[in-house]
Amino acid sequence: RKEVEQDPGPFNVPEGATVAFNCTYSNSASQSFFWYRQDCRKEPKLLMSVYSSGNEDGRFTAQLNRASQYISLLIRDSKLSDSATYLCVVNRDSGNTPLVFGKGTRLSVIA
Amino acid sequence: DTGVSQDPRHKITKRGQNVTFRCDPISEHNRLYWYRQTLGQGPEFLTYFQNEAQLEKSRLLSDRFSAERPKGSFSTLEIQRTEQGDSAMYLCASSQTGRYGYTFGSGTRLTVV
Repeated sequence: RKEVEQDPGPFNVPEGATVAFNCTYSNSASQSFFWYRQDCRKEPKLLMSVYSSGNEDGRFTAQLNRASQYISLLIRDSKLSDSATYLCVVNRDSGNTPLVFGKGTRLSVIA
Repeated sequence: DTGVSQDPRHKITKRGQNVTFRCDPISEHNRLYWYRQTLGQGPEFLTYFQNEAQLEKSRLLSDRFSAERPKGSFSTLEIQRTEQGDSAMYLCASSQTGRYGYTFGSGTRLTVV
């Protein structure tokens, strides 16, 4: 089983739609969880951290289910500018271990 | 600019040549990471430093690869005897503790011909 698995997509959605991305991770000892956004031929940029209680930042909501080792990202009211690849990121093990990136899920928001 | 800087942005080299990339992290960050990314894949961990100490190297980092961070500030990644399979984006990132995510540089895109 891969350390971090994501549906690669692409997800093609109209403007204004709600879209959800899912991710699973293999190591139950992982403690840090993030979503990164990566535009074509650019570096990844931190979108948001993911906490056990769930967290929201504007149109973006992230949730973590430790029992199922599952992370999600919900984008409401999609904008054209949301088109990008979304990377699910988990630290490899407990403690301050390096981050492991999923392959990413590509989102295209269409006018 | 207080972000992570990488140089060069692009490098085209002939197979068998040596190349060296530089990364300048955010000044107050004590951790520095190197990742490699190929098309359609997420970034893959190569190595990381805490201050000047190299704490871990991935199995991906063959003996042709070496990284240094001599004074705990900037870092270099050298690839000797480049192969076509080394063609990728090499990303550098830094963090203060690692627990709050990393800040990436713009990357160095290497093409081996």
